[in-house]
Amino acid sequence: GESVGLHLPTLSVQEGDNSIINCAYSNSASDYFIWYKQESGKGPQFIIDIRSNMDKRQGQRVTVLLNKTVKHLSLQIAATQPGDSAVYFCAENPRGSYIPTFGRGTSLIVHP
Amino acid sequence: NAGVMQNPRHLVRRRGQEARLRCSPMKGHSHVYWYRQLPEEGLKFMVYLQKENIIDESGMPKERFSAEFPKEGPSILRIQQVVRGDSAAYFCASSPPLTSNNEQFFGPGTRLTVL
Repeated sequence: GESVGLHLPTLSVQEGDNSIINCAYSNSASDYFIWYKQESGKGPQFIIDIRSNMDKRQGQRVTVLLNKTVKHLSLQIAATQPGDSAVYFCAENPRGSYIPTFGRGTSLIVHP
Repeated sequence: NAGVMQNPRHLVRRRGQEARLRCSPMKGHSHVYWYRQLPEEGLKFMVYLQKENIIDESGMPKERFSAEFPKEGPSILRIQQVVRGDSAAYFCASSPPLTSNNEQFFGPGTRLTVL
């Protein structure tokens, strides 16, 4: 859940567990959504995207779910590995805009 | 195919000095975006450029900050008379000529520290 103050929300899981990272977006006009992974000291790395005409999209070990009714996006990571430890950001693109708006991020910590 | 390159990776400046951050987009990419990231926060859009054109600078502070993407050479983000509040990580991203999606590829960032 949400943490107090300025710290990033944090999700701690055991290696091998499934992880679910959630994101609430604000703009009902957004039609393109992206999940990024950012490891410490590095730039964001594209993981998976989804357009608003879809509810679900699967990649390798990752699944993105989109619920437009409640403006909610989630990223599911199967069989989480220590290498998945990073900060995960969702980003939304309003229709007609090429400038994404990033969420605050969730820190995923995977314990071996 | 090299990814987005940024230099320097770390930059230390004293208050009042100028900071120049460089970004070379991926080969074939003609669109560049600059973002700023404060610790434990998401990326905040600053400016979007194409070759020799500023397309959207709505996220750029009105004073001291400027950006360019010349016909030849890297994109430059310039911060004049830096202040401590400018300390942050600055990321550049690039994308190919626009399609229906807009996947942006990020560089490793420049971490600016103002003393």
